[in-house]
Order: sequence, then structure tokens, then C-alpha cells
Amino acid sequence: DAGITQSPRHKVTETGTPVTLRCHQTENHRYMYWYRQDPGHGLRLIHYSYGVKDTDKGEVSDGYSVSRSKTEDFLLTLESATSSQTSVYFCAIKGTANTGELFFGEGSRLTVL
Amino acid sequence: QKEVEQDPGPLSVPEGAIVSLNCTYSNSAFQYFMWYRQYSRKGPELLMYTYSSGNKEDGRFTAQVDKSSKYISLFIRDSQPSDSATYLCAMSGTYSGGGADGLTFGKGTHLIIQP
Repeated sequence: DAGITQSPRHKVTETGTPVTLRCHQTENHRYMYWYRQDPGHGLRLIHYSYGVKDTDKGEVSDGYSVSRSKTEDFLLTLESATSSQTSVYFCAIKGTANTGELFFGEGSRLTVL
Repeated sequence: QKEVEQDPGPLSVPEGAIVSLNCTYSNSAFQYFMWYRQYSRKGPELLMYTYSSGNKEDGRFTAQVDKSSKYISLFIRDSQPSDSATYLCAMSGTYSGGGADGLTFGKGTHLIIQP
């Protein structure tokens, strides 16, 4: 158990509304990631963080922003949700070994109507 | 050409069979290779990890890497219905501090073990 909690686990919202997903970790890991998973596309990196207030973009960052004000929390925000952002969102942390292994949360299922 | 190719399946085999799951890749810089298992409506969980070429065995699971052919495999012996899941391969290059050089994923193979 990597000590990752995602909230909310399920959310239905309407187009144009803001949405924030939260990832909370209990093990003080430096690197945290947000991925989305869609049929036919697999896992795609949205944003990642390498420390408090240090974040950078992944391959599908348009329409998303992130913040990390504390080591344990990494927030993903959709400023104005669109139907194309309907997806399952996974938070991940990098393990302590310097080999790139990631450990994932249980996912947040977002539906934008 | 995609960086990592993986047949999406579904792959359906009878209980007890040997399962072979495979990925091919194009980036010769990849050195760390992983297999993740993902049950329906769950997050991916790390199953096997290997570095560079060679084999690694863990119980009924064997991971194999052939860097010369840019081909990795996961073998499952004595397959069980509980092995039914989606299996994702993942790989990364030389570790340089994390960040976006983390992992490149295959799209996953959906495996069904028939009782």
C-alpha cells in the first residue's frame, strides 16, 4: 500500500463548471503525477510535481492546472470542464528506488455532461 | 510509430494454461521495464520490474527483456481466474531525477482466464 488517497472517487458535473481532484499521500514522496486513462489511449501524463510548488506539464496538459502547496497534497483542477475531459484520473507517486517505478491511487472517475 | 506497442486483446485462455504477454518498443534508451496489473475499476499495481536485458522470476510470473530486439514479455504459469485483468507494460530511460522521464506505458492487454 503506497498510502495514496484520491478524492472524490466519482464525480458527475456539467460542461463549463470547475472541478478539483485531490491526491493525498502519507509517505512524504517527492514526485507526484496525474494521469488520465481512456479506452484506446492508455495512460497519459497530464502534469507532475517534483516538490512543493514545483510542477511541470505532461503530454496532455491543455485544460488542466495543478498545485502543490504541501508535500502530501497534489491538486488537479479543470478550470472549465469539457466533455472530452470525461475520463478516469489516476494519481501516482514515484517510489524510493531510483528506477522510475510508479505507485498508483485507486482513481477518480469523472463524467462531464 | 508508437513508442510502445501492446496488443489490446482480449486474450482468452483456459485455466492452467501458460500465458504470454508482449510489448515492443522503439526507444533504445529504455533500460527499466515494468509490468503492471490492473483489475477492473482499480488503479494499476506494480507486478514485475526488470533492469536491462534478461529474465526475472517471481512465483508464477516471469518477466523477460530482449533489448537487442526491443521486445519484452511477461509469462504467467498455471494461470488462474484471479489473473484475469489488464496488463500494462511500462518502461523508462536512464534515471535522471524523475519528472516526465518517468514511464512510457503500453495501452494494456485485457486477459481473461476461463475457469
